Amino acid sequence: NAGVTQTPKFQVLKTGQSMTLQCAQDMNHNSMYWYRQDPGMGLRLIYYSASEGTTDKGEVPNGYNVSRLNKREFSLRLESAAPSQTSVYFCASSRMEALPEAFFGQGTRLTVV
Amino acid sequence: GESVGLHLPTLSVQEGDNSIINCAYSNSASDYFIWYKQESGKGPQFIIDIRSNMDKRQGQRVTVLLNKTVKHLSLQIAATQPGDSAVYFCAETSPGAGSYQLTFGKGTKLSVIP
Repeated sequence: NAGVTQTPKFQVLKTGQSMTLQCAQDMNHNSMYWYRQDPGMGLRLIYYSASEGTTDKGEVPNGYNVSRLNKREFSLRLESAAPSQTSVYFCASSRMEALPEAFFGQGTRLTVV
Repeated sequence: GESVGLHLPTLSVQEGDNSIINCAYSNSASDYFIWYKQESGKGPQFIIDIRSNMDKRQGQRVTVLLNKTVKHLSLQIAATQPGDSAVYFCAETSPGAGSYQLTFGKGTKLSVIP
């Protein structure tokens, strides 16, 4: 089983550039999430989608947008990258929003210079 | 325990010994707690969870203890193995706007000495 697949695994952007991080899950999960992880810190929720067709802000949504393309796919877009967005980004999914057991992808390491 | 700075607290344990990783949480309304393991270069992996109406739950080689009075959570790993070397995060959830959102602690790095 592939589980949660994120692309790309690594990316370097210049300040002001835009990019989209892709995430797909093959577990037929309803809920999907985007987190960022900074050194020495836990994961912080950027956006989540409780079910297909809905998205909501998490703890740190500024500078990001998301799209729940279908039940499988949930993308994260940086419209104008800033050095403060240098981080490791994780996508996760869970069977439903009320279940806390989330399955994570391998992460995307993003550097903004 | 959980870090309040940039440097993760580290627990070094001899292979075969038991490990205890601690976590303090702040939200009294949290009703579900989870431990995640994150190996280097990988995403977090679910280990075990516990609801707030329980004070102990056991899995395979792992036990989670919950003390709601002092808002403290611990993960005990029996007979620690080199493959247990990782960063361990506790996470809590609380009801809000009809959905659960995980709030993660800052993590503890477990190093197993062969």
